Amino acid sequence: DAGVTQSPTHLIKTRGQQVTLRCSPISGHKSVSWYQQVLGQGPQFIFQYYEKEERGRGNFPDRFSARQFPNYSSELNVNALLLGDSALYLCASSRTVEKLFFGSGTQLSVL
Amino acid sequence: AQSVTQLDSQVPVFEEAPVELRCNYSSSVSVYLFWYVQYPNQGLQLLLKYLSGSTLVKGINGFEAERNKSQTSFHLRKPSVHISDTAEYFCAVSLPISGGYNKLIFGAGTRLAVHP
Repeated sequence: DAGVTQSPTHLIKTRGQQVTLRCSPISGHKSVSWYQQVLGQGPQFIFQYYEKEERGRGNFPDRFSARQFPNYSSELNVNALLLGDSALYLCASSRTVEKLFFGSGTQLSVL
Repeated sequence: AQSVTQLDSQVPVFEEAPVELRCNYSSSVSVYLFWYVQYPNQGLQLLLKYLSGSTLVKGINGFEAERNKSQTSFHLRKPSVHISDTAEYFCAVSLPISGGYNKLIFGAGTRLAVHP
């Protein structure tokens, strides 16, 4: 089975722009979570979605939004990009809380 | 607030030597505990997890960890490391969010560097 796939793998944007990151979960997984990993730090929780509904949100500004589609894929949107948004964005899918499967991430650079 | 502290940012070790990566957590509720590994330019891979029961858990690649409830620690150990174990290791706790769902709180990571 294919793992969690994320696209694009790398992205370069300038301050003030908007970006959309995409995630396809493992087949059969209905839950998708998003994490931000700034260089030198551990991942930080952004969102969790289950059955197309937001189930949890981390301490991130309203510039960050997400959605989940009927096929359980998900998009993360970030508006009005700041330099500090430069990070590796990780998507994880799961059937149960005990085991998350992470994708390889999207490396976002904001110039 | 819940937190996870990895006590060493970097751990250098020679090949075939034992290693311990230390992790402390703060939590007033029962939590699930995890160790993840991240190789360069890759996502996170689950090494092992503690959910309940025996405090000693074994994971992949010869790693094991022991939960110490009184000290709120969950240290990761391996008796003999290989060059291929060179990676970033993250300790995490799973905490409930609304609606019965959970999120992971990660430590800052420990870079394990195995030298020949």
